[in-house]
Amino acid sequence: QIQLVQSGPEVKKPGASVKVSCKTSGYAFSSFGLTWVRQAPGHGLEWMGWIAPKSNTKLYAQKLQDRVTLTTDTSTNTAYMELRSLTSDDTAVYYCAREPGDGVHNWLDPWGQGTLVTVSS
Amino acid sequence: DIQMTQSPSSLSASVGDRVTITCRAGQSISSYLNWYQQKPGKAPTLLIHAASNLQSGVPSRFRGSGSGTDFTLIISSLQPEDYGTYFCQQSYRTPYTFGQGTKLEIK
Repeated sequence: QIQLVQSGPEVKKPGASVKVSCKTSGYAFSSFGLTWVRQAPGHGLEWMGWIAPKSNTKLYAQKLQDRVTLTTDTSTNTAYMELRSLTSDDTAVYYCAREPGDGVHNWLDPWGQGTLVTVSS
Repeated sequence: DIQMTQSPSSLSASVGDRVTITCRAGQSISSYLNWYQQKPGKAPTLLIHAASNLQSGVPSRFRGSGSGTDFTLIISSLQPEDYGTYFCQQSYRTPYTFGQGTKLEIK
């Protein structure tokens, strides 16, 4: 079955960087885009960006584009999200999700289990 | 960015009840609307894609409808396992935005 398994929880100090991995299996990695979404404690879901492994095309949320970088490693079917210059506002659970579609519409399925990133001095 | 507004923000219902959750987009998004369920401490899971298409494996008591700016998720006969928070999401234009969520409690 299709699985997205993310790296473990992280604790970082303000100003540091974090890199979260998302290892995929059960499907053709290069054939589907991957989206990153975060959820701050007690809050809703925020779209961070999207990457197409085959073309390396990337889209970023405007508010994060100066601090976030999405990459993929097609040799290990793994995606990465790096976020720099962390502040307490970046404390959240970070999710990766596969983005299948029917050629017209897109949706997110499945999702990784989430990675808690805590930013604290 | 396209704003997505859900109502109600929370509700409590009994097993067997019909539950309706609505989602309104700030502009027309055609049928580019997805619904997700999230249980506490877990990742969201897809229920409905493209407004009305039931994801494989999702019980048929879940139904989605709507187009343009107004969308509805209906649970026809609420079951104990349907607790959680429900989110709508537009995939019409990036950034893909989500509703604020509807927290569903079983009485």
